[in-house]
This record gives sequence, structure tokens and C-alpha cells, in this order.
Amino acid sequence: EVQLVESGGGLVQPGGSLRLSCAASGFSFSRYWMSWVRQAPGKGLEWVANMKQDESEKNYVDSVRGRFTISRDNAKNSLYLQINSLRAEDTAVYYCAGGYGWYLDLWGRGTLVTVSS
Amino acid sequence: DIVVTQSPDSLAVSLGERATINCKSSQSVLYRPNNKDYLAWYQQKPGQPPKLLIYWASTRESGVPDRFSGSGSGTDFTLTISSLQAEDVAVYYCQQYYSTPLTFGGGTKVEIK
Repeated sequence: EVQLVESGGGLVQPGGSLRLSCAASGFSFSRYWMSWVRQAPGKGLEWVANMKQDESEKNYVDSVRGRFTISRDNAKNSLYLQINSLRAEDTAVYYCAGGYGWYLDLWGRGTLVTVSS
Repeated sequence: DIVVTQSPDSLAVSLGERATINCKSSQSVLYRPNNKDYLAWYQQKPGQPPKLLIYWASTRESGVPDRFSGSGSGTDFTLTISSLQAEDVAVYYCQQYYSTPLTFGGGTKVEIK
């Protein structure tokens, strides 16, 4: 069974940090572009970052560049998102998603990040 | 950045009737060398992650019912549900993947009339 399982979310104070993880199984993780996509409560989808299969290319949305870092470990079939300097507007469900290209045919169920004092 | 705009924000359709959702990109997402439109459609039901329905503007993902179809090219695209079923109640998003940042439309909520 193809699965993406996110973890690491939680309640954090403004300015704090979290590391999100995504464990992949049931498919050839190393052959997929992987992305993080977030969804604020009651709002639409926002792509955050993606990373090429061989780690040679990373892309970010402007609002997180310099604060968020995407990484992967193909040996562990895992994707990560280090999020620093958190702001209230970063509150969202963070989805791990992937595809051979940049459309996203695999999705996890998400992990909730809440930024509040 | 490519801005993607969906319309309408919501629509109510009777069971068995056609639902049409529009998506417009601020610049063309047609890549001339391969003649492909870099546009996808997703369905999101309450409490669930999005599900890919359509990619390359008109290619149906495996397992997606054939009542879902995508059309259009360049900057104007349409998702059509030919005969709305109760299980199609959801929010639908289009997404361009022509260039980063990848961008989604604001979503269209489809309900039963």
C-alpha cells in the first residue's frame, strides 16, 4: 500500500522551530519529486517547497524562503521540513506530497502546525 | 509568479446534472516543445487530503471515474463533472505546475442542489 505519513506537528510559540517528517512506503520514493503543501484552517492549498529526486534542486515559495528548509533521505524513504522563525500565518495542516513531475499524485494525511503564544 | 483563478467560488448542482468549473492562469502554461499544458485538477473532501483527478489538463488519473473530464489549453481550462453524484461533493482545485512557485486556484465548492 502506498503511504505518506507526516509527523512532527504541534503547538509552537511565535519565533519557534519545528521539524516535520514524512515517512514514505509502498513506492519508489527515490524516483519522486517531493513537495510540502500547506492548508490554513478553512482556507485553500498553498505549495511550500519541493525537492528533486537526487536532491540537486530545491524550490520554495517566497513567503518561507530563508525560514524553511526541505530535505530528504532516500535511504530512509523520508522527507523533512525544518521550519524556523514561525509566524502566526504559518499555522496550517502541512501535507507531504509527491509525483514523478510537479503534479502531485501521492498525498499524506497531513500534520497540524499551530503557532500561538 | 503565475496566478491561478477559479470560478465560481461555489456551485450547487442537482444530482445527475453537469457541473462546470473554470480555471484561468495569468500566463500560458502550455510548453510548446512537448505541446503539453502543465495544469492539474484535485478533489478534496472534508477531513481528507487532496486527490489528483486530472493532469496535463485532460489526462484522467488511474481510477478516476470517466464522468470527470478536463479541457482547455494555454490559459483557460475547465473541469466538467458530466453527471454529478452524491460522492462528488467536495472542493475542487486547479494547479499549474509550469513553473515554481507552484500555484493553486482558490478552490470551488461543489454541493448538491
